[in-house]
Amino acid sequence: DTAVSQTPKYLVTQMGNDKSIKCEQNLGHDTMYWYKQDSKKFLKIMFSYNNKELIINETVPNRFSPKSPDKAHLNLHINSLELGDSAVYFCASSHRTSGNEQFFGPGTRLTVL
Amino acid sequence: AQSVTQPDIHITVSEGASLELRCNYSYGATPYLFWYVQSPGQGLQLLLKYFSGDTLVQGIKGFEAEFKRSQSSFNLRKPSVHWSDAAEYFCAVGPYSGGGADGLTFGKGTHLIIQP
Repeated sequence: DTAVSQTPKYLVTQMGNDKSIKCEQNLGHDTMYWYKQDSKKFLKIMFSYNNKELIINETVPNRFSPKSPDKAHLNLHINSLELGDSAVYFCASSHRTSGNEQFFGPGTRLTVL
Repeated sequence: AQSVTQPDIHITVSEGASLELRCNYSYGATPYLFWYVQSPGQGLQLLLKYFSGDTLVQGIKGFEAEFKRSQSSFNLRKPSVHWSDAAEYFCAVGPYSGGGADGLTFGKGTHLIIQP
């Protein structure tokens, strides 16, 4: 069984479009995250959600908006895509009392043309 | 602010040789420390973690790491590498409180190359 899943695995789109990436976890975790991995493989936290509340929001453009319909899902919606948004986006989840051990999804490679 | 430094961008090791990947962190309290591995085109897999207690921690795939508070280090080791260990390795630090709501801070990664 897949613990943290993301769809789609690859996403190619034009500048200016709006797109969403979906994430689901079946681990019963109460906190979910989105990370961005750039072309140099540097990973940086974008958002975390705990009990449907946004806990942190690093310096991410407001074109990016996380949406959590329930504890098992945290989707990432991106408006007006730009070339610089091209990256691999990883979803992760953890249980709040587990010392922040996070389980990662397989990633979504976004390419903006 | 917390930070993680992995001073080696690339490391090349012969198959069967020992391995040590370096990680130094900057954090205001006792951190939670992690090593993750990323194979090409794959997600991140947790190798091992340190929360407290014994400073030498064992992980999966024969890896171990040692937490040294005096040196602010958490180096990853393996006595004998296999060709399948070729991957990107990331050291990460998390918040002390264990509240779990904050994201991990990652180092920039070390690319491990295994030569025959």
